[in-house]
Amino acid sequence: NAGVTQTPKFQVLKTGQSMTLQCAQDMNHEYMSWYRQDPGMGLRLIHYSVGAGITDQGEVPNGYNVSRSTTEDFPLRLLSAAPSQTSVYFCAISPGANTEAFFGQGTRLTVV
Amino acid sequence: GNSVTQMEGPVTLSEEAFLTINCTYTATGYPSLFWYVQYPGEGLQLLLKATKADDKGSNKGFEATYRKETTSFHLEKGSVQVSDSAVYFCALIFHSGAGSYQLTFGKGTKLSVIP
Repeated sequence: NAGVTQTPKFQVLKTGQSMTLQCAQDMNHEYMSWYRQDPGMGLRLIHYSVGAGITDQGEVPNGYNVSRSTTEDFPLRLLSAAPSQTSVYFCAISPGANTEAFFGQGTRLTVV
Repeated sequence: GNSVTQMEGPVTLSEEAFLTINCTYTATGYPSLFWYVQYPGEGLQLLLKATKADDKGSNKGFEATYRKETTSFHLEKGSVQVSDSAVYFCALIFHSGAGSYQLTFGKGTKLSVIP
């Protein structure tokens, strides 16, 4: 039972490059979210989805796009990477609107 | 809006010492409260939770009680071990209904336990 799988685990990008962080789940949970973790800042919500075809912005959405075409996958796209997007990114899933989240292992992204 | 404030670290304790990590929150209504733990190089794991006032969450010797009157959810453990060294996050989710999902985190407290 993998739960939440994030790929890649590590990535280095040059400023202006684009990439997609992948998140896949095998628990059939409706709610999926992306967070970024920065030193001294805790986790901040980027985007979330309450089901296939439905997405919404979180606290820090600028510079990121998401889509949710299936229940299983929730990719996060960086269209033009900036050094300020250097961070550790976590995908999380949840079975309901008022319940806890279960996290993937994270993707460490460095933009140079 | 909703927010979580937890004590800043780092916290360094000797093995078998008593641990308290303070967490207070601001929320409209009655949120559910959580403690997550993050071991080095890993993602966050749910440690314990409480969904209503006076509930006590517990797991692996850790406890926290949902105090509505003081809007607090302090994490405690009677005797810490070296293996408890990690970053601990307090978090809340507000019962905002269908169509929304807002899990709000504190900034984290790093705990180091020395033998």
